[in-house]
Amino acid sequence: AQSVTQLDSQVPVFEEAPVELRCNYSSSVSVYLFWYVQYPNQGLQLLLKYLSGSTLVKGINGFEAEFNKSQTSFHLRKPSVHISDTAEYFCAVSPLGGGGNKLTFGTGTQLKVEL
Amino acid sequence: EAQVTQNPRYLITVTGKKLTVTCSQNMNHEYMSWYRQDPGLGLRQIYYSMNVEVTDKGDVPEGYKVSRKEKRNFPLILESPSPNQTSLYFCASSHTPGQQFQETQYFGPGTRLLVL
Repeated sequence: AQSVTQLDSQVPVFEEAPVELRCNYSSSVSVYLFWYVQYPNQGLQLLLKYLSGSTLVKGINGFEAEFNKSQTSFHLRKPSVHISDTAEYFCAVSPLGGGGNKLTFGTGTQLKVEL
Repeated sequence: EAQVTQNPRYLITVTGKKLTVTCSQNMNHEYMSWYRQDPGLGLRQIYYSMNVEVTDKGDVPEGYKVSRKEKRNFPLILESPSPNQTSLYFCASSHTPGQQFQETQYFGPGTRLLVL
């Protein structure tokens, strides 16, 4: 079984400041890792994913994340946020091979960008 | 346009009155899934389907039913809704993942359900 921990339920940040949203996971098997974004009153949209290869993954809207296997982390970063980045962000994992396509989500981090 | 659609988007009902939330995708995806989203709990999988006539329970299946008679449709059925099923529901779809790769899941816009 897998579990995902997003310790920060809310992260306030000023516009143009950098931000890091933390994600740690636990799994007995190797996993794929994802970050999804949910804008107000909308569905989830994939920001980025790590399947294999380079541990630094670049996604849409200037976001990137780094996979750290030893620390079982997949933190999301953006060097300069914009007011339009205000949304809820979910980290998720899925087991490699078999297990269907099941995603296990964290509880989400609400990013609030202020002027 | 490739998309996952859900209907209705908003629904208020009363305890015990059967309801169905429809989900349809136009991407010829084999895999479809239902999630519910609750504050502080994130998204939890209710049921999923690997293909037509193949469905299986997720983490929180109690009180729900699904069917997969056609590839494009995956309705969620609440036979006797209760207030603890008040939630935001998402349908998702993707191609079937292989042993060595993962397929991106595409999510519908969500259905907000209130059970009184």
